Amino acid sequence: AQSVTQLDSQVPVFEEAPVELRCNYSSSVSVYLFWYVQYPNQGLQLLLKYLSGSTLVKGINGFEAEFNKSQTSFHLRKPSVHISDTAEYFCAVSLTQGGSEKLVFGKGTKLTVNP
Amino acid sequence: GAGVSQSPSNKVTEKGKDVELRCDPISGHTALYWYRQSLGQGLEFLIYFQGNSAPDKSGLPSDRFSAERTGGSVSTLTIQRTQQEDSAVYLCASSSRRVRDRAFFGQGTRLTVV
Repeated sequence: AQSVTQLDSQVPVFEEAPVELRCNYSSSVSVYLFWYVQYPNQGLQLLLKYLSGSTLVKGINGFEAEFNKSQTSFHLRKPSVHISDTAEYFCAVSLTQGGSEKLVFGKGTKLTVNP
Repeated sequence: GAGVSQSPSNKVTEKGKDVELRCDPISGHTALYWYRQSLGQGLEFLIYFQGNSAPDKSGLPSDRFSAERTGGSVSTLTIQRTQQEDSAVYLCASSSRRVRDRAFFGQGTRLTVV
């Protein structure tokens, strides 16, 4: 089975500070990993994804994430955040079972950027 | 439109009533997903449609929940005899082939059962 754990439910930071949102997964097979962002009163949108290849993945809005197989982690980082980055961030893993593929999400991390 | 469209955006219903939630995926997308988002619970997988294959219903929480997809396009999620614990945001997503390609989400339907 595959599951996703987001270690922090809420992360408050000041504007222009760096931020790291943590995500760990459990899986016995190869995985595809994703980060989605949900702005207030909106649907989710893809930030970035890891399928294969380079372990450092760059996404939109200056975010990046690093796949670490030995630590089964896929932490999201940004060197300098803006007020507009305030949103909820979801880590997800692609689960394939019996020919059906679906995304399994973590519980989310609410990032609040303060001036 | 170019995106995934869900209707209604908000629905308030009385306990025990049936509700239908609609999802219009992006044209040409063969994969369609329903998720439920409850406060503090993250996103819970409900059901997955892929082309003409039998849907993966493994996430439906009870037999009060059902979904169909007509003509490989529009999908309807039906909740019968609604309960207060059904209150949540129901999200629909579609993708061109498989979720690893990219999933596009609608803005959701906020269901409140009173």
